[in-house]
Amino acid sequence: SAVISQKPSRDICQRGTSLTIQCQVDSQVTMMFWYRQQPGQSLTLIATANQGSEATYESGFVIDKFPISRPNLTFSTLTVSNMSPEDSSIYLCSVETGSPYEQYFGPGTRLTVT
Amino acid sequence: QKEVEQNSGPLSVPEGAIASLNCTYSDRGSQSFFWYRQYSGKSPELIMFIYSNGDKEDGRFTAQLNKASQYVSLLIRDSQPSDSATYLCAVMPTDKLIFGTGTRLQVFP
Repeated sequence: SAVISQKPSRDICQRGTSLTIQCQVDSQVTMMFWYRQQPGQSLTLIATANQGSEATYESGFVIDKFPISRPNLTFSTLTVSNMSPEDSSIYLCSVETGSPYEQYFGPGTRLTVT
Repeated sequence: QKEVEQNSGPLSVPEGAIASLNCTYSDRGSQSFFWYRQYSGKSPELIMFIYSNGDKEDGRFTAQLNKASQYVSLLIRDSQPSDSATYLCAVMPTDKLIFGTGTRLQVFP
């Protein structure tokens, strides 16, 4: 597995503003993922971020709303733009490491939009 | 039909019993299957993965896969109160994980 950290751990933001979430891994990984988990719900994949290429977004998620950076093999950011209360959720990054397809999650960022 | 289905529970079992958690999936082409444990307020933790039909054991955990029936299960032997959590089944039909909604397990002393 890998040691994954996220910043911030939680935040309360006003609607219309943006928040950038950072994800740091203690080892180099090719595949990084961003998920959203809304209260009482399961995990929904937002996008896959590979170093050196544009992020691949899932249906229902767009780059203008959730821009992602992946500048190197240990770091990624997810920005939640022009936030609304519907964006209140836990945002999780994960990495694929070890055997193929095994994903490990960071501690998450709890976002509340007022 | 949901891609990955789980009973939301809660599943209540006494300490020391076997907890049986079940998951069905819709995509017959799925090849990789995972079980995650998520404590309240925490992120998911990978506890088991299985790729081949049959059983895979790791300590008190056994994952069972039946591709013909599109069914994967997780058995927890000698359940402990510390096993109380939500268990998420995840399936990889292509190149991304699809998660079920999870089963909440309660182990009472």
